[in-house]
Amino acid sequence: EAGVAQSPRYKIIEKRQSVAFWCNPISGHATLYWYQQILGQGPKLLIQFQNNGVVDDSQLPKDRFSAERLKGVDSTLKIQPAKLEDSAVYLCASASLNSPLHFGNGTRLTVT
Amino acid sequence: AQSVTQLDSQVPVFEEAPVELRCNYSSSVSVYLFWYVQYPNQGLQLLLKYLSGSTLVKGINGFEAEFNKSQTSFHLRKPSVHISDTAEYFCAVSDLGAGGTSYGKLTFGQGTILTVHP
Repeated sequence: EAGVAQSPRYKIIEKRQSVAFWCNPISGHATLYWYQQILGQGPKLLIQFQNNGVVDDSQLPKDRFSAERLKGVDSTLKIQPAKLEDSAVYLCASASLNSPLHFGNGTRLTVT
Repeated sequence: AQSVTQLDSQVPVFEEAPVELRCNYSSSVSVYLFWYVQYPNQGLQLLLKYLSGSTLVKGINGFEAEFNKSQTSFHLRKPSVHISDTAEYFCAVSDLGAGGTSYGKLTFGQGTILTVHP
């Protein structure tokens, strides 16, 4: 089966600019997650979707981060405006009832 | 709330030697436990998981882990490592069935960098 697709792979922006990341989960996976992985740390959950509804966004900095999954398939994560501390790898993962999480290769964001 | 502690941030080892990567967790409810591996510039790949049943679980690439409920540990082992095992390893825990899925959402440890020297 095709894996979780993410784009872009790399992004460099200046602080206060905006950026968007895209994720296409594995076909048939109802649950989608966005994780933030800061260098030297384990991934931290930002938001969890079940189909097109939000299950958990308690750790999403809502003043600058937003995410959507309008049709219950693809998802986008946006940061506006970006801060230096947002530099990280943003990982998308998907899962079904019968599978554990499958991760994409991530988008590496550098904020200068 | 759950938490995961990986007791070693870096583990250097020589090729063909055995290795153990240590993981302890805390949770007030029953959990699932996982080990993931991350190669440079890649996402996380599942090595193995403990859901229930036998406390010794075997995964890919010759890795195995043992669940110890009394010590709240889930240490990862391999009897003989290869150069290709050099990577970062993450222990993770999930609550059972939260959010409508069988696996819930994962809480990760800080990671252990395994470096295998020739």
